[in-house]
Amino acid sequence: EVMMTQSPATLSGSPGERATLSCRASQSVSSNFAWYQQKPGQAPRLLIYYASTRATGIPARFSGSGSGTEFTLTISSLQSEDFAIYYCQQYNNWPRTFGQGTKVEIK
Amino acid sequence: QVQLVESGGGVVQPGGSLRLACAASGFTFSTYGMHWVRQAPGKGLEWVAFTRYDESNKYYADSVKGRFTISRDNSKNTLYLQMNSLRAEDTAVYFCTKDYYGSGTYSAFDVWGQGTMVTVSS
Repeated sequence: EVMMTQSPATLSGSPGERATLSCRASQSVSSNFAWYQQKPGQAPRLLIYYASTRATGIPARFSGSGSGTEFTLTISSLQSEDFAIYYCQQYNNWPRTFGQGTKVEIK
Repeated sequence: QVQLVESGGGVVQPGGSLRLACAASGFTFSTYGMHWVRQAPGKGLEWVAFTRYDESNKYYADSVKGRFTISRDNSKNTLYLQMNSLRAEDTAVYFCTKDYYGSGTYSAFDVWGQGTMVTVSS
């Protein structure tokens, strides 16, 4: 099983600040990698797939990078609606696995 | 619009069974792989099971293998999860979700249902 490790566990930021979230895979997953956003009481929402492609309707302030085992999600300027939990996921191997999540909270 | 709606959750005793359903609309259900993902209260996401669009391939998390069965009825645009021998640790919100790519082997999950709560308790 591919283990996905996210850091930090919690990120405190102010509106307008840049936020950088990281995810490491225990083995290479090529670019078969995604980021999801989840708000309380809601289903997850796909943000980024194939490591760096924004899903439909996702604002340009969200960007993804990386390949192999190291991946990054950058939010260029935090907006109030971006405070949520972010999960990374690999879909290169079975079972599909998620990271434990990074909570982005208001400083 | 593309939509997934889960149903069938509830409270069940340890060792009991439950069948979840996920009704799909707004897309050609019969051409997409489908998954179940669960989330225990206050915890992260855990992938549970997958079925290819034609049920030719199915995969399960080790934690549910031999107890849960994923299936689909393409004529009814519905995905199922039969859960047997339920345990307290199966308590979670269960989401159904679809592959972004219809026939691809590698795909993120682009549409999610709102989830249905399963509570295993005596």
